[in-house]
Amino acid sequence: KQEVTQIPAALSVPEGENLVLNCSFTDSAIYNLQWFRQDPGKGLTSLLLIQSSQREQTSGRLNASLDKSSGRSTLYIAASQPGDSATYLCAAYSGGGADGLTFGKGTHLIIQP
Amino acid sequence: EAGVAQSPRYKIIEKRQSVAFWCNPISGHATLYWYQQILGQGPKLLIQFQNNGVVDDSQLPKDRFSAERLKGVDSTLKIQPAKLEDSAVYLCASSLDRPNIQYFGAGTRLSVL
Repeated sequence: KQEVTQIPAALSVPEGENLVLNCSFTDSAIYNLQWFRQDPGKGLTSLLLIQSSQREQTSGRLNASLDKSSGRSTLYIAASQPGDSATYLCAAYSGGGADGLTFGKGTHLIIQP
Repeated sequence: EAGVAQSPRYKIIEKRQSVAFWCNPISGHATLYWYQQILGQGPKLLIQFQNNGVVDDSQLPKDRFSAERLKGVDSTLKIQPAKLEDSAVYLCASSLDRPNIQYFGAGTRLSVL
């Protein structure tokens, strides 16, 4: 059974800093890995999706990497802004009979102005 | 393009009462998911539909939870009777096909007193 762990659970940094969020998964036989953002009282917004054949994906100031062999993914946020404050969730999709995502508990990020 | 619509946004009930949630997926999306997100946790898949058929409901507590997707479009999730531990945000997601990026609604926050 796939398990996803995110470290740290919470992070607070001054505006302008670069930061890294970590995600690890127990079953390396994943189909893809996805990073989401969740704002209070709102649903999840997909940020980046990395297919199992890819090593990284970039969107603006965000860069996500995937290392299947070590069961790890990182989300790098460059030049953080107060608007980046949210909870970031990673989710692994393992394929098979169903398509449900296995989520980590998330990292609650606060960017101090 | 309209997103995934869910209603109600909030619901407060007493234990042993019944409650129903409604989801309207993005037009043309064949796959629909219901997730349960307990405070401080990542979302957990409850049930997945492909058109109006169930793909996976292995984590749905079938003694009290039920879901249907008539005509392969809208879906309802029902809890009867509710327990205190059912307090959570219930998220609906849809995807164009299997497997594909999942788009999430804003969720329904349920409080069971």
